Amino acid sequence: DADVTQTPRNRITKTGKRIMLECSQTKGHDRMYWYRQDPGLGLQLIYYSFDVKDINKGEISDGYSVSRQAQAKFSLSLESAIPNQTALYFCATSDPGQGESGELFFGEGSRLTVL
Amino acid sequence: GQNIDQPTEMTATEGAIVQINCTYQTSGFNGLFWYQQHAGEAPTFLSYNVLDGLEEKGRFSSFLSRSKGYSYLLLKELQMKDSASYLCAAMDSNYQLIWGAGTKLIIKP
Repeated sequence: DADVTQTPRNRITKTGKRIMLECSQTKGHDRMYWYRQDPGLGLQLIYYSFDVKDINKGEISDGYSVSRQAQAKFSLSLESAIPNQTALYFCATSDPGQGESGELFFGEGSRLTVL
Repeated sequence: GQNIDQPTEMTATEGAIVQINCTYQTSGFNGLFWYQQHAGEAPTFLSYNVLDGLEEKGRFSSFLSRSKGYSYLLLKELQMKDSASYLCAAMDSNYQLIWGAGTKLIIKP
């Protein structure tokens, strides 16, 4: 089983619908992140959380919200989806205290299409 | 502003060596990462450099020059499974990662 699990893996929805992407991890890491990836662009940070009571906006947080329900769970919501939110979304975790680099561990990705 | 530049696409031959370059401009610097991403899959960690010099890990090596804002990933004895995108990311003074768009590496037999 994957250490970082995202659901759903694929979702097609319509403009204006509310969508939630969920992420759970078994790595015991405190830090969790949501990124989006578009063709030809680098990974863009949406939101990140360094512990259950900590939520921070990333570079492209407009139109998104998050909830850190527990150390192991971090969900991303699109309150009213629009077509330019069509992208591949990744959840990631890290724990710099356990390694020199604080490398990110990614989930398998959630492909979202907004029609 | 903060920026990462890397080539969009490179082609190499199975068994050969390829070098993927990355230049970066960040507000402060706390290390340079390389990730590998196969099509439709999640990125996976390859290397981390924070000091100048070459780090070798099997067939893969990564080099950093902090004074030049430059890094490269060197892949030796290329295999077909190395066909993937290679993502360069620099960590700024706030420990945030700035990502390049990735270099798509195509390996030909």
